Amino acid sequence: DVKVTQSSRYLVKRTGEKVFLECVQDMDHENMFWYRQDPGLGLRLIYFSYDVKMKEKGDIPEGYSVSREKKERFSLILESASTNQTSMYLCASSVAEETQYFGPGTRLLVL
Amino acid sequence: AQTVTQSQPEMSVQEAETVTLSCTYDTSESNYYLFWYKQPPSRQMILVIRQEAYKQQNATENRFSVNFQKAAKSFSLKISDSQLGDTAMYFCAFMTQGGKLIFGQGTELSVKP
Repeated sequence: DVKVTQSSRYLVKRTGEKVFLECVQDMDHENMFWYRQDPGLGLRLIYFSYDVKMKEKGDIPEGYSVSREKKERFSLILESASTNQTSMYLCASSVAEETQYFGPGTRLLVL
Repeated sequence: AQTVTQSQPEMSVQEAETVTLSCTYDTSESNYYLFWYKQPPSRQMILVIRQEAYKQQNATENRFSVNFQKAAKSFSLKISDSQLGDTAMYFCAFMTQGGKLIFGQGTELSVKP
């Protein structure tokens, strides 16, 4: 079975802090994705990566950056957390245009 | 722009009955994939069913089936013999060329005993 793990289930941070969300997949997938989920808006794509060292902006990249130094790991970085970044963050991975498999999500609260 | 619309924010169904969740999408692509994902209270997103646009036959997975109407750009999910464990948020999603997913707003389904 594909396994996608995220470093934290819940996270509380202060405004202005730098926040790292880590995602690891164990199936050698080329593609990795970061989404945020908000009520009434569904999931929206923040950033994605098709290979190591590669990154592409999604629909809502502002205020975020990413890092992919190894194939299995994709990190989402909030350079200076703000209250409007309080949300659920979901990581996913896939091969080519196949099914995306999701991690359990991180619920981030920025105070 | 490609969009996915789920017009039913909440639905409820009695255990053992059948329920249909609606989804429409907009795209100019001719080859694409459509998905239904389920997110139970545990928050883990789980694939329910997948449909390739070039296949006319509707996908089926046990109690879950879809009604795919390509010309109408409609992709509804039917759940037969509803079970309490089907209680979840359901998301319809469209996969663009390049493998990115565009999600609908979600439908929260409650199965009542």
